Amino acid sequence: NAGVTQTPKFRVLKTGQSMTLLCAQDMNHEYMYWYRQDPGMGLRLIHYSVGEGTTAKGEVPDGYNVSRLKKQNFLLGLESAAPSQTSVYFCASRARGSYNEQFFGPGTRLTVL
Amino acid sequence: GENVEQHPSTLSVQEGDSAVIKCTYSDSASNYFPWYKQELGKGPQLIIDIRSNVGEKKDQRIAVTLNKTAKHFSLHITETQPEDSAVYFCAATSMNRDDKIIFGKGTRLHILP
Repeated sequence: NAGVTQTPKFRVLKTGQSMTLLCAQDMNHEYMYWYRQDPGMGLRLIHYSVGEGTTAKGEVPDGYNVSRLKKQNFLLGLESAAPSQTSVYFCASRARGSYNEQFFGPGTRLTVL
Repeated sequence: GENVEQHPSTLSVQEGDSAVIKCTYSDSASNYFPWYKQELGKGPQLIIDIRSNVGEKKDQRIAVTLNKTAKHFSLHITETQPEDSAVYFCAATSMNRDDKIIFGKGTRLHILP
């Protein structure tokens, strides 16, 4: 099992450019999440999904969109990147049920100039 | 909704000494309390967890305690080693709302030689 994988690992964008971050999991998990991590701010939830075809807003959704067309993939889109979106982005997945472990990907470091 | 507070934000201990990180939660329906360790450049990884029907759990040098009445839970690391240096996150999730795990803001632990 590869677990949770993220593509790309690093990316530099110019303000106004768009991009999509891809998250894939091979554990057949129902729940998937996108977080951003900034110094001193912990993990902040951007969007999440409880199943194929469903998404919901998290704590900091503005400026991002997501899609979950397939159960194993969760895409995070930035339509018009801003310097405030410079961050490390983590994807995670989890099986349904309150006792289940959340597995994280290795992260994507995004810099917006 | 659930809120998880974590203290301290930074902790430095001498190698060989013990480290304690404390968290509080607000939702009395929370029933699962995992702890994650994040090493530099990596995603968080589960190191230990505790369910609400247990007061304490130990795994080698790591232990967690839970006080449901006070809504407190703590991570204890004994005989600290250099490889314990990392960021630690506490978290909670509820049987009533198991689609999200709520994370604390993290504690950066430094093990001093």
